[in-house]
Amino acid sequence: GAGVSQSPSNKVTEKGKDVELRCDPISGHTALYWYRQSLGQGLEFLIYFQGNSAPDKSGLPSDRFSAERTGGSVSTLTIQRTQQEDSAVYLCASSYRQGASYPYFGPGTRLTVT
Amino acid sequence: TQLLEQSPQFLSIQEGENLTVYCNSSSVFSSLQWYRQEPGEGPVLLVTVVTGGEVKKLKRLTFQFGDARKDSSLHITAAQPGDTGLYLCAGLPGSNYKLTFGKGTLLTVNP
Repeated sequence: GAGVSQSPSNKVTEKGKDVELRCDPISGHTALYWYRQSLGQGLEFLIYFQGNSAPDKSGLPSDRFSAERTGGSVSTLTIQRTQQEDSAVYLCASSYRQGASYPYFGPGTRLTVT
Repeated sequence: TQLLEQSPQFLSIQEGENLTVYCNSSSVFSSLQWYRQEPGEGPVLLVTVVTGGEVKKLKRLTFQFGDARKDSSLHITAAQPGDTGLYLCAGLPGSNYKLTFGKGTLLTVNP
């Protein structure tokens, strides 16, 4: 497929467990974003990767959240010691480059922490 | 923090009716985007407006950017059930890449 793909589509985990969410951006897109969408809330910026530059992690809500992007392509968002308030849809997006185009979003991973 | 307020939050109308959704802020944005999101999917970009006062049309959808680039509206003419979804506005402040999203308007068009 030509779009942004994310896996898993749904994840149910117990409080205190770690989870990893994966994002495959559109081929050739150098910018990658993670957003979080909670019920009744707008999309909340989490982290931004652009090429080989240092990522902008300013939106990560706590040090339990981390993300990496390997080889300038696939990205993994990791949440350690999950809490119930982490339950949300985590959306990944990519764009050709900053300022030149707007992000295309993947379908998201719905995370439920029980 | 630049906030975008969307109204109404929920809208349920009959097929064939017209509607307008508003997106307002006290801050200036260099551009503003409208997205539509369906259940289980990510937001899909509908339009980007850049110039103050700009009006763009996409079939039955008309988008307007305020003169001061602080607000925008989405007008749908003769709504159809296929228009049902969550409509999100998002603003880009200056050259920043962090889109600021409104909370969305959940539109239901009943046949």
